[in-house]
Amino acid sequence: EVHLVESGGGLVQPGRSLRLSCAASGFTFDDYAMHWVRQVPGKGLEWVSGISWNSANIAYADSVKGRFTISRDNAKNSLYLQMNSLRAEDMALYYCARDSGGNVADGSGLDVWGQGTTVTVSS
Amino acid sequence: QSVLTQPPSVSEAPRQRVTISCSGSGSNIGNNAVSWYQHLPGKAPKLLIYYDDLLPSGVSDRFSGSKSGTSASLAISGLQSEDEADYYCAAWDDRLNGWVFGGGTKLTVL
Repeated sequence: EVHLVESGGGLVQPGRSLRLSCAASGFTFDDYAMHWVRQVPGKGLEWVSGISWNSANIAYADSVKGRFTISRDNAKNSLYLQMNSLRAEDMALYYCARDSGGNVADGSGLDVWGQGTTVTVSS
Repeated sequence: QSVLTQPPSVSEAPRQRVTISCSGSGSNIGNNAVSWYQHLPGKAPKLLIYYDDLLPSGVSDRFSGSKSGTSASLAISGLQSEDEADYYCAAWDDRLNGWVFGGGTKLTVL
């Protein structure tokens, strides 16, 4: 069965860092692009970042550009999101999602999602 | 303010048909594929439609998608109480070089 399991969320002070992980199973991880999508409580879905199957193409939302770094380790079937200089507005439920295509801009749809991990930014 | 515009809410009676609109621009919907997602509270979002009008395996054919120019629509026929959820459209945006989501539409089945 295809699974994505996020981890690494928690409480962090403004300005500090946090690293999210996403463990994939049940499919050939390096066939697919991967994304992070977040949802602030009571708000809609917001795409955060995406990475192609071979890490050659990476994209970020303007709201996180320069602060967040997406990466993947295909040998470990894992996706990561390094979040630096965290702000109150980064507080959200972060989902890991599989792109049904291999490239970030394929537009083919995010067909598998994890349950999310919660990031709380507060002093 | 979301790049893709959806109505905040729609409502319809059981067994009826409802459509949810998604309006964008030439840099997103007008030039790239649209996907639609169903999001139930406390659950992971679920892909309903990809490449504008294709259904993933396992998704009910009560759901259908269409696109014309810079707008797209999701239609749900034979409404059931279990369809109550938030629905989002999404597309790649060439100008922003990233994915954009609509603000979401809350569907109420009366």
